[in-house]
Amino acid sequence: DVKVTQSSRYLVKRTGEKVFLECVQDMDHENMFWYRQDPGLGLRLIYFSYDVKMKEKGDIPEGYSVSREKKERFSLILESASTNQTSMYLCASSLFLRGNTEAFFGQGTRLTVV
Amino acid sequence: QKEVEQNSGPLSVPEGAIASLNCTYSDRVSQSFFWYRQYSGKSPELIMSIYSNGDKEDGRFTAQLNKASQYVSLLIRDSQPSDSATYLCAVNGDMRFGAGTRLTVKP
Repeated sequence: DVKVTQSSRYLVKRTGEKVFLECVQDMDHENMFWYRQDPGLGLRLIYFSYDVKMKEKGDIPEGYSVSREKKERFSLILESASTNQTSMYLCASSLFLRGNTEAFFGQGTRLTVV
Repeated sequence: QKEVEQNSGPLSVPEGAIASLNCTYSDRVSQSFFWYRQYSGKSPELIMSIYSNGDKEDGRFTAQLNKASQYVSLLIRDSQPSDSATYLCAVNGDMRFGAGTRLTVKP
């Protein structure tokens, strides 16, 4: 079974802190994604990566950056956390970008910025 | 910006009825379409994928795709209380999602 693991289930950070959310997948997937999920807004794509050291902006990249130094790990970075970044963050991975394939999700990280 | 839109609902149906969920998309060249189910407090999981015009059936679930009209739908027959969840439509391999439709099936 594919496993996508996010480093924390719950996280509380202070405004202005630099925050790292880590995601690891164990199935050698090329593609990895970061989303945030807010009530009524669904899943919004922040960034995705289709290869090591490659990244593409999603629909809401402002205030975030990402790092993918190894194929299995995709990190989301909040450079200076703000209260409007309080949200549920979901990581996902999939095998092909343009192919017909399934995305597998991590358990989510609920981030609260105070 | 590519857009995927769903009726946000909520949608409520009685047990045993057919639930119909709809999704429209803006990118005319989209090729692959997915329906995910998300239970409260859980992560999304894939329930159906469809790539060609027409219907695709899997048990009680039927996905319908109409590329000319740019919509994809999910029908759930004989709805059960365990189907109560948020259903998310996703388009293409870059996995952009709609806002989701919350379905409640009442016993």
